[in-house]
Amino acid sequence: GENVEQHPSTLSVQEGDSAVIKCTYSDSASNYFPWYKQELGKRPQLIIDIRSNVGEKKDQRIAVTLNKTAKHFSLHITETQPEDSAVYFCAASQAGGTSYGKLTFGQGTILTVHP
Amino acid sequence: DTGVSQDPRHKITKRGQNVTFRCDPISEHNRLYWYRQTLGQGPEFLTYFQNEAQLEKSRLLSDRFSAERPKGSFSTLEIQRTEQGDSAMYLCASSFRANTEAFFGQGTRLTVV
Repeated sequence: GENVEQHPSTLSVQEGDSAVIKCTYSDSASNYFPWYKQELGKRPQLIIDIRSNVGEKKDQRIAVTLNKTAKHFSLHITETQPEDSAVYFCAASQAGGTSYGKLTFGQGTILTVHP
Repeated sequence: DTGVSQDPRHKITKRGQNVTFRCDPISEHNRLYWYRQTLGQGPEFLTYFQNEAQLEKSRLLSDRFSAERPKGSFSTLEIQRTEQGDSAMYLCASSFRANTEAFFGQGTRLTVV
């Protein structure tokens, strides 16, 4: 089955700096890669996603890049703000077969943005 | 429709008891997922449904766990003979179809004492 590895486990930056979180996946059949943000005591919420037919996607201060050959994808947050502090999870989902649409999550990255 | 709702939010039970959780997905969402999350970890896949059909069940899930989604609407997750290792947050999510945004509920926090 799919395995998603996420690094780093913790990330501390100063306000205004950029933050990068990286994930690798094992199943080349995966074609959908969402990123979720989970604030303390709250539910995970989607912040951005990318499909395998696209190499990069951007939404304001957030961008995601995908390298299908290397089977890795990254989340980039620019001009970080204290409210970006949260746990971020990457996930991968398969395009077909018995696990079609099943989301496999990484272990999470605790991002702390210091004012 | 205010999103995915889960009930109860918290459950404390004694070891060996059975517990049942309920998830109400967003209307018209065909896909429903159950995940388990422990402190400091990502959501761990348990099982998922396409309408009323259970498509896959994690190999990590013992036979003490069972899930249903009758009529393709709400879903229940039952844990029989609970163990302390079952203590976790149980998250439900739903999506309109595969590989689209999955919306999570607020979870049910289970504590087995």
